[in-house]
Amino acid sequence: DTGVSQDPRHKITKRGQNVTFRCDPISEHNRLYWYRQTLGQGPEFLTYFQNEAQLEKSRLLSDRFSAERPKGSFSTLEIQRTEQGDSAMYLCASSSFEADSTDTQYFGPGTRLTVL
Amino acid sequence: GQNIDQPTEMTATEGAIVQINCTYQTSGFNGLFWYQQHAGEAPTFLSYNVLDGLEEKGRFSSFLSRSKGYSYLLLKELQMKDSASYLCAVIPGGYQKVTFGTGTKLQVIP
Repeated sequence: DTGVSQDPRHKITKRGQNVTFRCDPISEHNRLYWYRQTLGQGPEFLTYFQNEAQLEKSRLLSDRFSAERPKGSFSTLEIQRTEQGDSAMYLCASSSFEADSTDTQYFGPGTRLTVL
Repeated sequence: GQNIDQPTEMTATEGAIVQINCTYQTSGFNGLFWYQQHAGEAPTFLSYNVLDGLEEKGRFSSFLSRSKGYSYLLLKELQMKDSASYLCAVIPGGYQKVTFGTGTKLQVIP
């Protein structure tokens, strides 16, 4: 299976702790996106990378959130000093504008974060 | 800003046809996606429209009218496994990111 993978699939943490999630995109995809989704809502954009460059970050995203994609392959999303409001599904998606002019995004299975 | 509207919930009968509507107001337009999302799972790609008209793919079809800012997803011969949320997502103009609607939760009943 060469789809998008995410790790871990589930994370339970206590308020105030730091957490880090990993996303491995489809290998030939140069764009990588992070979204957050809560129950009954559509995916909310957090940030995206083209290769290793972080091109956009949501203005709604607090400074506690940071993402990296150091070699243009996998990416990590870190949340510092977690709050209960951070509880959500964190989705990663990848796309390739060069290979696919529609730039269709393909999603990973998500990481479900629960902050106690 | 970008605005995408979809009905929150719909119910349809197994074997029937259902149409899920999506209207959008965006600064420019470069394409519209439909995704299916089962509860607790990630969205999966269904269709992409950039030109006006109907795109058919098996039991699923998607229609776009750019002048009206309107799209619909048509599901035929409904099956129980079609119970899911259906997300409309729009690529605005320029190099802006994809914006997702809140999704329509479809329940298929026997």
